[in-house]
Amino acid sequence: QKEVEQDPGPLSVPEGAIVSLNCTYSNSAFQYFMWYRQYSRKGPELLMYTYSSGNKEDGRFTAQVDKSSKYISLFIRDSQPSDSATYLCAMSPVSGTYKYIFGTGTRLKVLA
Amino acid sequence: AAGVIQSPRHLIKEKRETATLKCYPIPRHDTVYWYQQGPGQDPQFLISFYEKMQSDKGSIPDRFSAQQFSDYHSELNMSSLELGDSALYFCASSLGEGQGGYTFGSGTRLTVV
Repeated sequence: QKEVEQDPGPLSVPEGAIVSLNCTYSNSAFQYFMWYRQYSRKGPELLMYTYSSGNKEDGRFTAQVDKSSKYISLFIRDSQPSDSATYLCAMSPVSGTYKYIFGTGTRLKVLA
Repeated sequence: AAGVIQSPRHLIKEKRETATLKCYPIPRHDTVYWYQQGPGQDPQFLISFYEKMQSDKGSIPDRFSAQQFSDYHSELNMSSLELGDSALYFCASSLGEGQGGYTFGSGTRLTVV
């Protein structure tokens, strides 16, 4: 079993829809959770970063962490065609120099 | 704002050749991480440096080596290249232990023929 599981998609939604992207994980030591967006042939860019449980909102993006269920989510409101990309979750334990474990990424297509 | 710069953007090498990839972190970032992402695969952590010392090591082959220089840029040296080394290599930088997350470079696409 992978440490981090993420549905690869693709996920196709109409413009303006609310998108829900999810990851599950098995290592209860993970404390730092991130979402990255990666356009084709580009390196990932950090979208959201959360520590431990709870919600964090930034513009159209909301990150949610449920440590009891080992489940994290990224919600995108009012999705746009420019949001079409692969979204990677990543996480890391508390101590030491952080080595992030990535999910495989979910490919999202927002249709105009 | 300044970003993480990687060079070259694309590189084509033949089997058994050597390649050197460079990563220039965001100013004041003292930690650099290297990742390898094969086609359709998860990014795999290779190695990281903090204050010019190796701080963590992942699935980096023995044929690869890396270092961080006094100006905090890092170089990934890859020798005896194999076809399976064809991948996107990207680096990330952070401040300290990375609690604020990473900033990634655009990557170097290496093709071994």
